[in-house]
Amino acid sequence: AQTVTQSQPEMSVQEAETVTLSCTYDTSESNYYLFWYKQPPSRQMILVIRQEAYKQQNATENRFSVNFQKAAKSFSLKISDSQLGDTAMYFCASSIIQGAQKLVFGQGTRLTINP
Amino acid sequence: EAGVTQSPTHLIKTRGQQVTLRCSPISGHTSVYWYQQALGLGLQFLLWYDEGEERNRGNFPPRFSGRQFPNYSSELNVNALELEDSALYLCASSAYRQGNQETQYFGPGTRLLVL
Repeated sequence: AQTVTQSQPEMSVQEAETVTLSCTYDTSESNYYLFWYKQPPSRQMILVIRQEAYKQQNATENRFSVNFQKAAKSFSLKISDSQLGDTAMYFCASSIIQGAQKLVFGQGTRLTINP
Repeated sequence: EAGVTQSPTHLIKTRGQQVTLRCSPISGHTSVYWYQQALGLGLQFLLWYDEGEERNRGNFPPRFSGRQFPNYSSELNVNALELEDSALYLCASSAYRQGNQETQYFGPGTRLLVL
């Protein structure tokens, strides 16, 4: 079974600062994906970034990057030069590539960017 | 390219009634997933459909059911509504190629309130 844990219920930073959101996971599978999704107040779940477990290189998408530590089963999200529009709930999620095909989500981290 | 669409956006029902939620996937996606996001319970996987078949089911009672149509759109039906069914219901779609799941993209959700 897969589990995903986000230990930071809430975080708050000033605009333009860098912030890191933590996520740990557990799985017995060797082939899986890890994701960060954001859910702003509009409630639309938006993909932020995806990491394939078989890739050693950390994924990056503009201001968003991850620190994927496979042995430690850790998958943190770094947001650089944070913007007011980054204010949202951030969910870490995992899925195995073959088989059950469902996303397993963490509890979420509420991130507030202050002006 | 149009994203995942869901209807209706909001719904109010009374206990014991039945409800049908609808989802249209991104063009070219054959898989549709349903998730429940209830307050305090996080995001829970409900159902996965691919090519018209139910492929996986989460830990929900049988009164939660659905189907997928030949055009890959999907319905989620909930019978005998209970107060605890009040939640945001999210639909996601993905491609599913050669037994491998691709990234899931989410719709805006349907907010259901049961009185």
